[in-house]
Amino acid sequence: NAGVTQTPKFRVLKTGQSMTLLCAQDMNHEYMYWYRQDPGMGLRLIHYSVGEGTTAKGEVPDGYNVSRLKKQNFLLGLESAAPSQTSVYFCASSTNRGLYETQYFGPGTRLLVL
Amino acid sequence: AQSVAQPEDQVNVAEGNPLTVKCTYSVSGNPYLFWYVQYPNRGLQFLLKYITGDNLVKGSYGFEAEFNKSQTSFHLKKPSALVSDSALYFCAVRDNTGGSYIPTFGRGTSLIVHP
Repeated sequence: NAGVTQTPKFRVLKTGQSMTLLCAQDMNHEYMYWYRQDPGMGLRLIHYSVGEGTTAKGEVPDGYNVSRLKKQNFLLGLESAAPSQTSVYFCASSTNRGLYETQYFGPGTRLLVL
Repeated sequence: AQSVAQPEDQVNVAEGNPLTVKCTYSVSGNPYLFWYVQYPNRGLQFLLKYITGDNLVKGSYGFEAEFNKSQTSFHLKKPSALVSDSALYFCAVRDNTGGSYIPTFGRGTSLIVHP
């Protein structure tokens, strides 16, 4: 099993450009999450999904959109990138068997917006 | 509402000495508590979790954590630190009431183990 993979690993954007980050998991997990990690801020939840075709806002959703057309994939879109979106983005997944289930994280995508 | 605090941004310890990384939490009901570790340029990896039962939980790489309900704490411990334990450690909590399946993470504590 590859677990959770993220594409790309690193990207540089200019302000106003758009891009899509791809997260894929091969563990048949129902729940998927997108986080951003900034120094001193820990992990902040952007959006999440509890199943194929469903998405919901997290703590910091502004400027981002998501889609979950297939169970194994969770896409994070930036429509018009801003320097404040420079961050490391992590995708995670988990089962829906219970609140005690562990999250599995991808390796991260480093995004620099100039 | 649920929240978690990691009061130390950084913990320094000498190799071979015991280490403690602190975590306190606040929940409405009963907590499910987690520790994750992040090595440089990597994603978070699960270390251990508390669901119910014994207050001392054992996890990966020789780590353990003690659940203390009266002090609302879940401190991470290891009897003898290794240089390779140097990493960023995150505590997370889920409240078992209210139906939220989204965990709340602390800000992280950087553990530095000196040779």
